[in-house]
Amino acid sequence: GESVGLHLPTLSVQEGDNSIINCAYSNSASDYFIWYKQESGKGPQFIIDIRSNMDKRQGQRVTVLLNKTVKHLSLQIAATQPGDSAVYFCAENMDRQGGSEKLVFGKGTKLTVNP
Amino acid sequence: KAGVTQTPRYLIKTRGQQVTLSCSPISGHRSVSWYQQTPGQGLQFLFEYFSETQRNKGNFPGRFSGRQFSNSRSEMNVSTLELGDSALYLCASSVSVGSGSYGYTFGSGTRLTVV
Repeated sequence: GESVGLHLPTLSVQEGDNSIINCAYSNSASDYFIWYKQESGKGPQFIIDIRSNMDKRQGQRVTVLLNKTVKHLSLQIAATQPGDSAVYFCAENMDRQGGSEKLVFGKGTKLTVNP
Repeated sequence: KAGVTQTPRYLIKTRGQQVTLSCSPISGHRSVSWYQQTPGQGLQFLFEYFSETQRNKGNFPGRFSGRQFSNSRSEMNVSTLELGDSALYLCASSVSVGSGSYGYTFGSGTRLTVV
């Protein structure tokens, strides 16, 4: 069935450390993945995306790694800052119907950055 | 450029009533998707509209409906409200091309409370 799950529900790191948030997906046919950050009272904020023809993509302080062999996605945040504290979701773009897809979200990982 | 705008931000309704939520996508984005977010179920796909047509639908009862206008603005309606409909309703707009939809950007959501 559809399943995008996160290995760890909470993650606590020290300011300046690197953070790694993991995600497993179940549909090997999915070809587009997105990481979102959601702060309290706000909608999910796009962080970075990756297509299945790539293994790695880098943004500003963030890197997404995709391992299609084991259907695993990870988000790496370098030099984590207190402002990075939020819930992070991975999303899988799947279920094409007439050119449309829907995003299936993981349950989320709460990242807490300690000063 | 302006982001995705959802109105209203907060709503309190009584069981049995109906409600209409509005979403204005990013200029140039013709695809609009709706999601329901609850603590228990996480983010769940409701439906997606493109060029005034519903292209994809999630597993929600018929009380949940939507539509899209020629300017890509979308509304969703929930009739005969139940307590369990209390949630954050999120709208996302995206660019839809032949190979798929990309750049999902979310609004801040409408917080619906049913009493």
